[in-house]
Amino acid sequence: AQKITQTQPGMFVQEKEAVTLDCTYDTSDQSYGLFWYKQPSSGEMIFLIYQGSYDEQNATEGRYSLNFQKARKSANLVISASQLGDSAMYFCAMREMNSGGYQKVTFGIGTKLQVIP
Amino acid sequence: NAGVMQNPRHLVRRRGQEARLRCSPMKGHSHVYWYRQLPEEGLKFMVYLQKENIIDESGMPKERFSAEFPKEGPSILRIQQVVRGDSAAYFCASSPTGAGARSYNEQFFGPGTRLTVL
Repeated sequence: AQKITQTQPGMFVQEKEAVTLDCTYDTSDQSYGLFWYKQPSSGEMIFLIYQGSYDEQNATEGRYSLNFQKARKSANLVISASQLGDSAMYFCAMREMNSGGYQKVTFGIGTKLQVIP
Repeated sequence: NAGVMQNPRHLVRRRGQEARLRCSPMKGHSHVYWYRQLPEEGLKFMVYLQKENIIDESGMPKERFSAEFPKEGPSILRIQQVVRGDSAAYFCASSPTGAGARSYNEQFFGPGTRLTVL
């Protein structure tokens, strides 16, 4: 089974509108973390937001918020007031503790977001 | 406060040559992770190293690939006898610690090395 599933290969959003990028995950751990990274066309990986499995509040960082629904195992990224510079690939990732006692991060295949002027 | 550094940023090799990719973690970070990103795909874990130790190399091909993180100096990912299928972006990430059930250990990524095999 996929650990991280991103079902939207591509998304379009009008500038200044909000957009939700979907992410579901699969883990049997009680303690884990969820990340979103942005990868613009220049290729670097930019950390956006983090949600711990024990965090009761949804994480927010500026225009980014993470809609964390633990029972449904989903961690959708919401970008409010989209800007042209938000056009990029977006990766959802999960950190788990593996049997060796250390953390391992698994990435989804990404969603390509294009912001339309 | 310098971030994770990788060099070279771009590397071109002919089939059969060796590729050496370097990663200098952030200051104070002793945990290094290597990932490979094939075109149009997400990042795939390759190997996790601490100083002088390979902790998990389950994602690294058994042949031609090796990694090290010596006591002094950068971490090196080495690919011998490269083939066209090795063309990819190779990302290094570092974190201050690797364990901690409730600790938030973001992995800080370097800019990546884009390997092209002709």
